[in-house]
Amino acid sequence: GAGVSQTPSNKVTEKGKYVELRCDPISGHTALYWYRQSLGQGPEFLIYFQGTGAADDSGLPNDRFFAVRPEGSVSTLKIQRTERGDSAVYLCASSLTGGFVYEQYFGPGTRLTVT
Amino acid sequence: QKEVEQNSGPLSVPEGAIASLNCTYSDRVSQSFFWYRQYSGKSPELIMSIYSNGDKEDGRFTAQLNKASQYVSLLIRDSQPSDSATYLCAVNEGRGSTLGRLYFGRGTQLTVWP
Repeated sequence: GAGVSQTPSNKVTEKGKYVELRCDPISGHTALYWYRQSLGQGPEFLIYFQGTGAADDSGLPNDRFFAVRPEGSVSTLKIQRTERGDSAVYLCASSLTGGFVYEQYFGPGTRLTVT
Repeated sequence: QKEVEQNSGPLSVPEGAIASLNCTYSDRVSQSFFWYRQYSGKSPELIMSIYSNGDKEDGRFTAQLNKASQYVSLLIRDSQPSDSATYLCAVNEGRGSTLGRLYFGRGTQLTVWP
């Protein structure tokens, strides 16, 4: 079956601009996660959705970052007033819920470059 | 602050050998543990999950968990050049508000030479 999809695959933007990154989870997965990964580092948690609501948004670095999942499927990560330090690969993952082990499956990522 | 520590490597093994990757974590309440493989320029791919003490085998991969020592490892038997990648260890508390959050190490780079 289809995996997690993310668009765009690459995004180059100028400092100060607004960007939106989209994630389409695996069909039937109710949980959705956003991470970002810088070169040489492991993924860093940003936010976790259970259905339509953000169950844990404590990883968002500041109020320039916001994410929504209005219908409990597709999610959009929104970054306002981008800064060069926001440059990273933004990864989306999804999982089933219920049970003990939350196996998260990642999409291909969006490489964001802020110039 | 949750810490997940991995040797950054690089770890280099010959084809056919056993590769051993190690991970320690700081939070005793961690419940679930995962190994991901990440090829250069690609996203992480889940290869193993484990949540009970002991060993779990899947093909050429064996995950080992020791909660008392706060240690999880991944063994790759009969290593192949196609196993050359960065291996990420991830830990989940499995409770409360951080139920979904994975804490990742920085990864160990593995090279399998022919």
